[in-house]
Amino acid sequence: DIQLTQSPSFLSASVGDRVTITCRASQGISSYLAWYQQKPGKAPKLLIYAASTLQSGVPSRFSGSGSGTEFTLTISSLQPEDFATYYCQQLNSYPRELTFGGGTKVEIK
Amino acid sequence: QVQLVQSGAEVKKPGASVKVSCKVSGYTLTELSMHWVRQAPGKGLEWMGGFDPEDGETIYAQKFQGRVTMTEDTSTDTAYMELSSLRSEDTAVYYCASSVAGVFDYWGQGTLVTVSS
Repeated sequence: DIQLTQSPSFLSASVGDRVTITCRASQGISSYLAWYQQKPGKAPKLLIYAASTLQSGVPSRFSGSGSGTEFTLTISSLQPEDFATYYCQQLNSYPRELTFGGGTKVEIK
Repeated sequence: QVQLVQSGAEVKKPGASVKVSCKVSGYTLTELSMHWVRQAPGKGLEWMGGFDPEDGETIYAQKFQGRVTMTEDTSTDTAYMELSSLRSEDTAVYYCASSVAGVFDYWGQGTLVTVSS
């Protein structure tokens, strides 16, 4: 089974900050990675797929990069509505296995 | 635009079963590949299984095999997830989500299932 490890698990930042979240896979997954944002009491929302492709309607301050075992989600200038928990997800084993990282909570400093 | 509307919260006793529904609008269920993801209180996301359109079969995560059944009623565009032999650790919010090759682009609002004696 492929494991995903996100770091940090918790991040405190201010509006306007540049924020980077890392997701490491236990084995190579090419670019089969997606990122989601989840706000309290809400369903997750797709931000990025194929490691770096922005989902339609997602602001351009979000970007993704990486391939193989190391990936990053970057928010170039943190906005008040971006305070949420972010999850990575691997698709390399689709359809028999889909796994999520443990999540990174971004809170207001 | 796809909309997924799930059934309401449930409270079940240990050992019972629960069946959660997910009604599709904006598309037909046959145009989607429906999956189910759960989230225990304060925890992360856990994939349970879903429909593989390539093979026309439903794939279940190993952890839930034998205990979960996912079905679809195409006449009403409604997907169902039934989980049996419930235990306290199954207390969670259960989401349906439509998948494109494993990427979840649309999600239901979630259904809280509480397992308590």
